[in-house]
This record gives sequence, C-alpha cells and structure tokens, in this order.
Amino acid sequence: QVQLQQSGPGLVKPSQTLSLTCDISGDSVFSNRAAWNWIRQSPSRGLEWLGRTYYRSKWFNDYNVSVKSRITITPDTSKNQFSLQLNSVTPEDTAVYFCARGDYDSSGYPGFFASWGQGIRVTVSS
Amino acid sequence: SYALTQPPSVSVAPGQTARITCGGNNIETKNVHWYQQRPGQAPVLVVYDDTERPSGIPQRFSGSKSRHTATLTISRVEVGDEADYYCQVWDTNTVHVIFGGGTTVTVL
Repeated sequence: QVQLQQSGPGLVKPSQTLSLTCDISGDSVFSNRAAWNWIRQSPSRGLEWLGRTYYRSKWFNDYNVSVKSRITITPDTSKNQFSLQLNSVTPEDTAVYFCARGDYDSSGYPGFFASWGQGIRVTVSS
Repeated sequence: SYALTQPPSVSVAPGQTARITCGGNNIETKNVHWYQQRPGQAPVLVVYDDTERPSGIPQRFSGSKSRHTATLTISRVEVGDEADYYCQVWDTNTVHVIFGGGTTVTVL
C-alpha cells in the first residue's frame, strides 16, 4: 500500500519560494508504473494539477502551463521522495497542496490518482 | 483548453439515487476518473477508467459515459456519502490533467 507523507512550511512570504516535500513509502520513486505529481486546491481555482516527474530510463517532467515558468519538481532518489519548488509566489498561490501518485489508465496515459498525501495548507502572506 | 463541467450541487434523500454529471467535448474519447472529497481530507478515488472501482469502494458507486457526458451514480445513498465529487481526465492535446469544478452532494 502506497503512502505519501508531505512536509514543508505553511507560510511563505510574497516573492519567495514555496518548497514542499513528499516522502514515498510502499513504492519507489523509480517506479516505471507511476508518475509523481503535485496538485493544489483553492476556492478560486478548484483542484489544479501543477506537474509531475517520472522515471523511464531517465527523468522526465511535465508542468501546467499556468505555472511552467515558476515550477520545478525534482526527485530525491537517496530519500525516495520528490519535491515541489514554486518561485516568486503571490497571494494567488495560497492553497492546499497535495502530492499524489499517478497511475496509468487503460489507454496508457498517466491518468488517475489512487494515492494522495495528506495535504498542506500554504498561505502566501507577509 | 479542455474543460469539464459539473453541476455545483446535487441533493438526494437517503436511500435514493444520486447522479452527478460531468460534461466535456467528446468526453467519450477520454478515460474519466471520479473522486470523493470530504471536508479537510484529500480526495479519494471512487471510479477510474469510466467504470472501474478501486478495491474497498462499495458497489453503490458506478460510472458511465456517453458522447459528451460522464456520470457518477451513487445508489442507495447514505448520509456518509455527503461530500464533494470531482471528475478528471487526461488531456492528450495539452498533456495536462483536467479536473471538473466539483459537485457537492447533500443528503437531505
């Protein structure tokens, strides 16, 4: 059973960098059957997929165009975890942030999320 | 960009059937997934690949799909089914995950 445990600060100042980590247990960050995702949720934007990292002989990333210029998702293979960095944050980035394991659907796309972290509420405020 | 449309709310009496729709252009060409989210908790997958249930999800939860609409059906609704429900697809054109806006199910 895959479990994801998130950690990171709940308060970030405007213009600074939001950094969160997701520890993986019950699976490997190298899994060729999964992708490792960050998703956020706010009243104004609903559930918003931010991006993912995955390993297929080498590391790949996909990012939502809405944050592509500010986001980095990186694996830490020594700790079996992955992290989110979101630069130049504004109050619009205030949200609950989730990490999630992406499973492949019957069409072969990294379609759905059966395992989620507990969520961390991040507030961007001075 | 691709969009999914859900009704904001659905109300249903205990024991009755709730149907939550998710509209999208040619949604029949996409695999649709559904999540239940209770307040303060992470979403829980209840249906994947249009009609499949993960282990541990009651048979009362079922999914279906037509050309432009996917539907999550909750039979014999219980008070514990009160939650927000979200549909989700993978958009192959943009290589993005897309979520619907969510539907709040209220059990009267």
